[in-house]
Amino acid sequence: SAVISQKPSRDICQRGTSLTIQCQVDSQVTMMFWYRQQPGQSLTLIATANQGSEATYESGFVIDKFPISRPNLTFSTLTVSNMSPEDSSIYLCSVDTGGYGYTFGSGTRLTVV
Amino acid sequence: GENVEQHPSTLSVQEGDSAVIKCTYSDSASNYFPWYKQELGKRPQLIIDIRSNVGEKKDQRIAVTLNKTAKHFSLHITETQPEDSAVYFCAASTKGASYDKVIFGPGTSLSVIP
Repeated sequence: SAVISQKPSRDICQRGTSLTIQCQVDSQVTMMFWYRQQPGQSLTLIATANQGSEATYESGFVIDKFPISRPNLTFSTLTVSNMSPEDSSIYLCSVDTGGYGYTFGSGTRLTVV
Repeated sequence: GENVEQHPSTLSVQEGDSAVIKCTYSDSASNYFPWYKQELGKRPQLIIDIRSNVGEKKDQRIAVTLNKTAKHFSLHITETQPEDSAVYFCAASTKGASYDKVIFGPGTSLSVIP
């Protein structure tokens, strides 16, 4: 199955700033998915990134707050913009490994102070 | 959109006993149902999955059953061991306009008491 490298693994950021999270996959994938996991909670889908088109955002998430890039079939970034303490979460990318289920990156633990 | 419910939210069993976690989904078009195990501080790991054309699937001590008519599916862990302690998430993959997306249930925290 696919291997995903996600970075940074953690960061502490000042409110009002932005953080860009990167995911690199070791094989080409059509879709990459970005999730948020708030402390002690489940995984909530933020958006789906398809190479060559605008990302599709789930209800409650907007492009201005979570801009996504997908420049090629192995890479994507998620930016958390104008951060507030409520954005403190774990952010994970995921891909469909086509027969081996959906696999996740190791996650980015974000703390906003 | 798809909504996945999961019960119980916490489950405590004695080592060697069985554990059962139940989920329901709302979208009858959902066709893929994975289960994930997440240990503290780690990423979710796929442990078993089932597709809508199958009623049951087993992998060693883990089994999953699916009832499409009732729109519910369950995870069964037999002969539980302390290393089974983790949070378990069920999920349903629902068809969007051009791709499938996975929606997760709220999770079950399983504790296996030695």
